[in-house]
Amino acid sequence: DVKVTQSSRYLVKRTGEKVFLECVQDMDHENMFWYRQDPGLGLRLIYFSYDVKMKEKGDIPEGYSVSREKKERFSLILESASTNQTSMYLCASTGDRYYGYTFGSGTRLTVV
Amino acid sequence: DQQVKQNSPSLSVQEGRISILNCDYTNSMFDYFLWYKKYPAEGPTFLISISSIKDKNEDGRFTVFLNKSAKHLSLHIVPSQPGDSAVYFCAARQQTGANNLFFGTGTRLTVIP
Repeated sequence: DVKVTQSSRYLVKRTGEKVFLECVQDMDHENMFWYRQDPGLGLRLIYFSYDVKMKEKGDIPEGYSVSREKKERFSLILESASTNQTSMYLCASTGDRYYGYTFGSGTRLTVV
Repeated sequence: DQQVKQNSPSLSVQEGRISILNCDYTNSMFDYFLWYKKYPAEGPTFLISISSIKDKNEDGRFTVFLNKSAKHLSLHIVPSQPGDSAVYFCAARQQTGANNLFFGTGTRLTVIP
């Protein structure tokens, strides 16, 4: 089974802090994604990556950046955390031969 | 523009009855449709899928129906169980592009014991 592992289940950070969310997948997938989930808004794509060092903006990239230095790892960075970035963050990955995405367990981030 | 829509944000059903979750899409180039289930504080997990060349796929208590002419799919859960209470996301795949899965906004299903 594909495993997508997010480093933290819960995080509490202060406004203005730089926050790193880490995601690792073990199936050699080419494509990796970061979403946030908020009530009533569904899953909104922040950034995705289709190869090492490659990244593309999703629907809501403002206030975020990403890093993909190795194929298995995709990091989401909040440059200066704000309270409106309090959310559930979900990482996902997929390969060309798959029909859907495999998600990690999520990180519930609270910015105070 | 939302290409996949779930117009019912919530649904409540009695245990043992049928749950019907609906999803509409706009892009006729979608070739595969999936349903994901999400519990609180967990990531979405794959539930069931259907290819655009089929009109029905069944897996145990879960059946997905696809009506291509109406650009509509539905997920039926029979009989519904309290453990089915979760948020259900519909997703549609287009054949090309790295970011090729489009999600609906989700429907929260509550199964009442």
